Amino acid sequence: DAGVIQSPRHEVTEMGQEVTLRCKPISGHNSLFWYRQTMMRGLELLIYFNNNVPIDDSGMPEDRFSAKMPNASFSTLKIQPSEPRDSAVYFCASRLTGGMDTQYFGPGTRLTVL
Amino acid sequence: QQQVKQSPQSLIVQKGGISIINCAYENTAFDYFPWYQQFPGKGPALLIAIRPDVSEKKEGRFTISFNKSAKQFSLHIMDSQPGDSATYFCAASKGGSQGNLIFGKGTKLSVKP
Repeated sequence: DAGVIQSPRHEVTEMGQEVTLRCKPISGHNSLFWYRQTMMRGLELLIYFNNNVPIDDSGMPEDRFSAKMPNASFSTLKIQPSEPRDSAVYFCASRLTGGMDTQYFGPGTRLTVL
Repeated sequence: QQQVKQSPQSLIVQKGGISIINCAYENTAFDYFPWYQQFPGKGPALLIAIRPDVSEKKEGRFTISFNKSAKQFSLHIMDSQPGDSATYFCAASKGGSQGNLIFGKGTKLSVKP
């Protein structure tokens, strides 16, 4: 099993640019989570999907952030326009909801907004 | 409001020593308490987890102690090794392992040879 796959692993962009982060969950998992990790705030849940449907997006910081899951094997997190305070590591995690397991995390995308 | 408080922020232990990381929670509805281990450049990975119906769970050198009345739980790493050097996160959720996780802020553990 390849695990959760995220791309890119590193992203450096300038303030105002659009950023798109990508995630491929573990095959067969039906829930997907996006987290943001910073030194100040730790790991924060941004949004999660169940069967491709957004269930809770209360953690999304503001309208500049949006997430989609067009099918069971792909999700994106978009930031438009990006700001320096968005610099963080963004993790995607997946889970088989209805099973016994907890979440499996991807390797993360380190985003730097200059 | 921080629902899961973790301490210490960083910890240095000599090889062979015991590492202890503590967490406290506020919501009595939490019923699943995992610990995650994160190495640099990697995502967090589940290390060990406990439910509130037991006071202790041991897996190899890793033990969770759980105190329901005090709303506290801790991770003990026995015979700590340099390979254990990582950041450790406690978490809590409602709805068992299927609930959404609330994470502590993490403890960076360094085990000196």
